Amino acid sequence: GAVVSQHPSWVICKSGTSVKIECRSLDFQATTMFWYRQFPKQSLMLMATSNEGSKATYEQGVEKDKFLINHASLTLSTLTVTSAHPEDSSFYICSARDWRGVFDEQFFGPGTRLTVL
Amino acid sequence: LAKTTQPISMDSYEGQEVNITCSHNNIATNDYITWYQQFPSQGPRFIIQGYKTKVTNEVASLFIPADRKSSTLSLPRVSLSDTAVYYCLVGEGGANNLFFGTGTRLTVIP
Repeated sequence: GAVVSQHPSWVICKSGTSVKIECRSLDFQATTMFWYRQFPKQSLMLMATSNEGSKATYEQGVEKDKFLINHASLTLSTLTVTSAHPEDSSFYICSARDWRGVFDEQFFGPGTRLTVL
Repeated sequence: LAKTTQPISMDSYEGQEVNITCSHNNIATNDYITWYQQFPSQGPRFIIQGYKTKVTNEVASLFIPADRKSSTLSLPRVSLSDTAVYYCLVGEGGANNLFFGTGTRLTVIP
């Protein structure tokens, strides 16, 4: 099946620094990628939809200037958490959309654990 | 967007069949029903997807009644490794606008 990778798998940073998370579709081209955030014991929350070559579409309440998304190629999308603060500590998960012939399917990456000190 | 409702948690003994029901009263004509499994600190993993009636694969079955306002994920003979959170999602084409509800935390007991 389709594989999506994320890098890094975990990161610890100081408050005020910026952190970049990469999401790659390894064996397929993804015109659309999605970014989710998940706090402990909670469900996934969709942050934004990223389309290759265009600006990302952010969900209500998600600050686009704080969570910068770049989808520069059909296999790579990046999420940059700018000026991170402890409240940004969370599990960030990306997914990539692939056409399965009859319907689309989202394939999820393994997630990135961000801890802001 | 169709909202889904699932039980928050379920317990089951090893070897039993587990059925998790999801309600989606506002499902639209073009919506598919997809179930995902998530282990702690991992991304969700696709289990099964269907549109109507019954779908079966090597790990689960999905039962969808004619009115499509609910669906039931059936896991045969669960093992300890099936302890996870199971999410029911409803969306057009299976990939657009996937919004995760609370999910069902399944605990398999030895």
